[in-house]
Amino acid sequence: QQPVQSPQAVILREGEDAVINCSSSKALYSVHWYRQKHGEAPIFLMILLKGGEQKGHDKISASFNEKKQQSSLYLTASQLSYSGTYFCGTDKGANTGKLIFGQGTTLQVKP
Amino acid sequence: DTAVSQTPKYLVTQMGNDKSIKCEQNLGHDTMYWYKQDSKKFLKIMFSYNNKELIINETVPNRFSPKSPDKAHLNLHINSLELGDSAVYFCASRQEFGGIYFGPGTRLLVL
Repeated sequence: QQPVQSPQAVILREGEDAVINCSSSKALYSVHWYRQKHGEAPIFLMILLKGGEQKGHDKISASFNEKKQQSSLYLTASQLSYSGTYFCGTDKGANTGKLIFGQGTTLQVKP
Repeated sequence: DTAVSQTPKYLVTQMGNDKSIKCEQNLGHDTMYWYKQDSKKFLKIMFSYNNKELIINETVPNRFSPKSPDKAHLNLHINSLELGDSAVYFCASRQEFGGIYFGPGTRLLVL
């Protein structure tokens, strides 16, 4: 079952904040976040494991609420380099290896 | 040093032909994948291998046949190519409980 991301697209000015949500109808073991720029491969950002984790590096952080089967990605004081498509990926079991991706959220940061 | 590499980068071919894509990872990861990304950017898992053993085989036409000669290599052979096979094919690798590292992608266009 594919996770659902919202919103589908976001347009920001440099310095603004954004939140991207990822929801699943099934119980989750872990949630991954990736960013893909046009014409490039997706790049791994972070993984959150079962246990209500919150992670972050630089101005990008994420949370995982396993009870609600939801994860959110927070982009703070966005930079032009944050533009791209963000994907969440969900893993239902303890490292089943089967990562199912959401449909993606396109983020455009304007100067 | 390229972590996950795949060749060729571009593949343009006629319907009905057979083609192969090669992938190698030098990260020492145990698990390798093939993902397909369509024109709407949907990333769909096709196959997963763990230490040369097939562990995930999604509902992919049997015209697609993966082969893993060793845990650092995972190739994809496609027989009787169809128009609908046009997409970007990503090879990827992952260590247990870690993120997925994608190759640069192979852009396949079937004419």
